[in-house]
Amino acid sequence: SAVISQKPSRDICQRGTSLTIQCQVDSQVTMMFWYRQQPGQSLTLIATANQGSEATYESGFVIDKFPISRPNLTFSTLTVSNMSPEDSSIYLCSVEESVYEQYFGPGTRLTVT
Amino acid sequence: GENVEQHPSTLSVQEGDSAVIKCTYSDSASNYFPWYKQELGKRPQLIIDIRSNVGEKKDQRIAVTLNKTAKHFSLHITETQPEDSAVYFCAAVGYNFNKFYFGSGTKLNVKP
Repeated sequence: SAVISQKPSRDICQRGTSLTIQCQVDSQVTMMFWYRQQPGQSLTLIATANQGSEATYESGFVIDKFPISRPNLTFSTLTVSNMSPEDSSIYLCSVEESVYEQYFGPGTRLTVT
Repeated sequence: GENVEQHPSTLSVQEGDSAVIKCTYSDSASNYFPWYKQELGKRPQLIIDIRSNVGEKKDQRIAVTLNKTAKHFSLHITETQPEDSAVYFCAAVGYNFNKFYFGSGTKLNVKP
């Protein structure tokens, strides 16, 4: 399967600041996604990162809070804006390699103080 | 939208025993059901999946069964080993194949 990397692997940020998370894949993929996993919880889809167009956001997530870029078929970024302690989570990107099959990046552990 | 329920939330078994985790879903249009294993501090890993045209699928010690009529699917792990200890998530994917609806997770503890 594709090799997926994320940067940073973890960060501690102050409230009110923003953090941009990068997701890099070693092969071209059509579909990339961003998920949030709060401590001890399941995975929740934030948005689908569309190459060359605006991301598609799920209910409860808005572009102003979680702007996403997808400049090409191997890279995407997720920004967590104006952070509050409630944004402390693990953020994961995933890619679809074949029909339906999704594989996850290693995740970014964000702590907001 | 789809609603996926997963049981039990925790499961403790003795090494060598079998473990079964069950999920139900609400949307009859769902047609793909993956299972992910997440070890502590690691990413979720796809371990097995099943599509709606198949009733059962096996891969060594793990198997998944699907009952479309009852709208439930299960993960079966036989001859459990301590390295099977992890959190397992089921998911359902429907007509909008982009969207994975995940269950709440099952923490499996295999006691040596």
